Amino acid sequence: AQSVTQPDIHITVSEGASLELRCNYSYGATPYLFWYVQSPGQGLQLLLKYFSGDTLVQGIKGFEAEFKRSQSSFNLRKPSVHWSDAAEYFCAVGVYNNNDMRFGAGTRLTVKP
Amino acid sequence: EADIYQTPRYLVIGTGKKITLECSQTMGHDKMYWYQQDPGMELHLIHYSYGVNSTEKGDLSSESTVSRIRTEHFPLTLESARPSHTSQYLCASSGNLAGGDNEQFFGPGTRLTVL
Repeated sequence: AQSVTQPDIHITVSEGASLELRCNYSYGATPYLFWYVQSPGQGLQLLLKYFSGDTLVQGIKGFEAEFKRSQSSFNLRKPSVHWSDAAEYFCAVGVYNNNDMRFGAGTRLTVKP
Repeated sequence: EADIYQTPRYLVIGTGKKITLECSQTMGHDKMYWYQQDPGMELHLIHYSYGVNSTEKGDLSSESTVSRIRTEHFPLTLESARPSHTSQYLCASSGNLAGGDNEQFFGPGTRLTVL
């Protein structure tokens, strides 16, 4: 079965600084990869997803992520963080046509003024 | 725009009460899911359904039960709530059985507190 590791439990960045959230997955075949964001008291909102093709995917709110098969990674990046980006971020790995999606434990992002 | 709804958003009840958490989606999705989420922890799948009259247990053992009588509705029931059931419960839905896209759309969640 697939699994996901988010090594950073909590990250603090200054507003305007760049951001990179790490995600490593374990799966034998080509995975479907997702990044979700969760604001306090809310459900999860999809930021972006990778199924195939270009390994650099663009998402909403200025986020992007790069799939690196050799490193089994799918790191999320944003060039300039806004205070409204403070939230919990979850990486997930799925399998084509299968309900079995695995989520990482999440990374909590704090944005300093 | 995803249209998936959960009620209530917050629920505080006493031990031993029977509760039902509601989840509805208007996207016509065949697949629906219930996750349990504790603070700082990953989401754990507790139930899922592939369609009407289909229900399966997920990875995390749960004393709750679910039903899927209508495509759009996937309620979760606890017959006798206990403090150990205190958690956030997230409902999600995805695609149709004929398609492989398993992007999941989430509801806002129900935060349950059992005293």
